[in-house]
Amino acid sequence: GIQVEQSPPDLILQEGANSTLRCNFSDSVNNLQWFHQNPWGQLINLFYIPSGTKQNGRLSATTVATERYSLLYISSSQTTDSGVYFCASDNYGQNFVFGPGTRLSVLP
Amino acid sequence: ETGVTQSPTHLIKTRGQQVTLRCSSQSGHNTVSWYQQALGQGPQFIFQYYREEENGRGNFPPRFSGLQFPNYSSELNVNALELDDSALYLCASSLALNQPQHFGDGTRLSIL
Repeated sequence: GIQVEQSPPDLILQEGANSTLRCNFSDSVNNLQWFHQNPWGQLINLFYIPSGTKQNGRLSATTVATERYSLLYISSSQTTDSGVYFCASDNYGQNFVFGPGTRLSVLP
Repeated sequence: ETGVTQSPTHLIKTRGQQVTLRCSSQSGHNTVSWYQQALGQGPQFIFQYYREEENGRGNFPPRFSGLQFPNYSSELNVNALELDDSALYLCASSLALNQPQHFGDGTRLSIL
């Protein structure tokens, strides 16, 4: 099945800073999604983005399907952005696979 | 619109016991997937159900089994519980196959 890598594994930011999280895939992606898991374990949908660019407030994401990577941008970070960010996808009918996550800590 | 709901939220069992976790899919969704998330790791795919039939399975032993009902709700059953089964179990539903997944808040299972 598809392999998913995420970088960086850990990130510490001061409130107000910007950041870029990266996700690399070993094969073509189909249903690529970004999630935020808050400290209580809730997994929140951020983007469904198999290709192209989307924006939602301070967050935006870009997927370059031909080069098998996706980027998540967080601008003007807030303490509530803390948690673990996961990307995940399947490869046209195969199992939906999560990356290992990027753990983000935003300090006040 | 009601989202994905899971029950119970927390559960404590002992080794060798059996457990059933439940998931109600989001309204209109006919596909349900189950995931196991161990501490500090990403969720791992267990299996998926589409219109009451299993439609894919991850690398989990047969003591992990499931059902999907005509209303598209689902159960995850685990027999002969082991200490390593302690994890957060997440259920996700989607409108159909190969559509974005929407997750419930999970069930935290602790095995003593």
